[in-house]
Amino acid sequence: GAVVSQHPSWVICKSGTSVKIECRSLDFQATTMFWYRQFPKQSLMLMATSNEGSKATYEQGVEKDKFLINHASLTLSTLTVTSAHPEDSSFYICSASPGLAGGSRTQYFGPGTRLTVL
Amino acid sequence: EDKVVQSPLSLVVHEGDTVTLNCSYEVTNFRSLLWYKQEKKAPTFLFMLTSSGIEKKSGRLSSILDKKELFSILNITATQTGDSAVYLCAGTIMDSNYQLIWGAGTKLIIKP
Repeated sequence: GAVVSQHPSWVICKSGTSVKIECRSLDFQATTMFWYRQFPKQSLMLMATSNEGSKATYEQGVEKDKFLINHASLTLSTLTVTSAHPEDSSFYICSASPGLAGGSRTQYFGPGTRLTVL
Repeated sequence: EDKVVQSPLSLVVHEGDTVTLNCSYEVTNFRSLLWYKQEKKAPTFLFMLTSSGIEKKSGRLSSILDKKELFSILNITATQTGDSAVYLCAGTIMDSNYQLIWGAGTKLIIKP
């Protein structure tokens, strides 16, 4: 149980284009979803927390107009990197939590999406 | 400031050895401690610990929490090369924010 999927797993795009990454909880309803990014050999860095049906809460230093997050349902959250630039190249990981209603605040991670911006 | 500190930073052992990874925490309104294993991709969940002194076990892996001394250990017995990974621990806090306070991880390398 507690499976989280991400799509796509790897994307290469040109500078200036937008990229959408999907995160789905497959066998549970996720009250809260999280988006992280990770640079090589570094720790996970939380970008934002999103609750279904409300606006995401962004961490300090993360541009909300650049990283658009939509948590439209209890099983789907999307991260759109707008006008991507090479410095946005990174490994983006989502996680989902069933929340107290689901019996656990544990975060379950998706497999990650590797974004390369040329 | 809330923080989670893991030690050692890196560890190299031979297959068959037993390893102990350490995680100490200073988290206000601490709720639970989580252990994850990260290989090439995203972290996979191992254990959630909320009560002191109760060992959680999964195969060759086990973990325990000490809420008095504010630390947790992750034990791996009879290590295999497939155990090579970065092991992350994270603390959670008792409020509506589900944010994890991450440690930097311990990189474990198992040599055949």
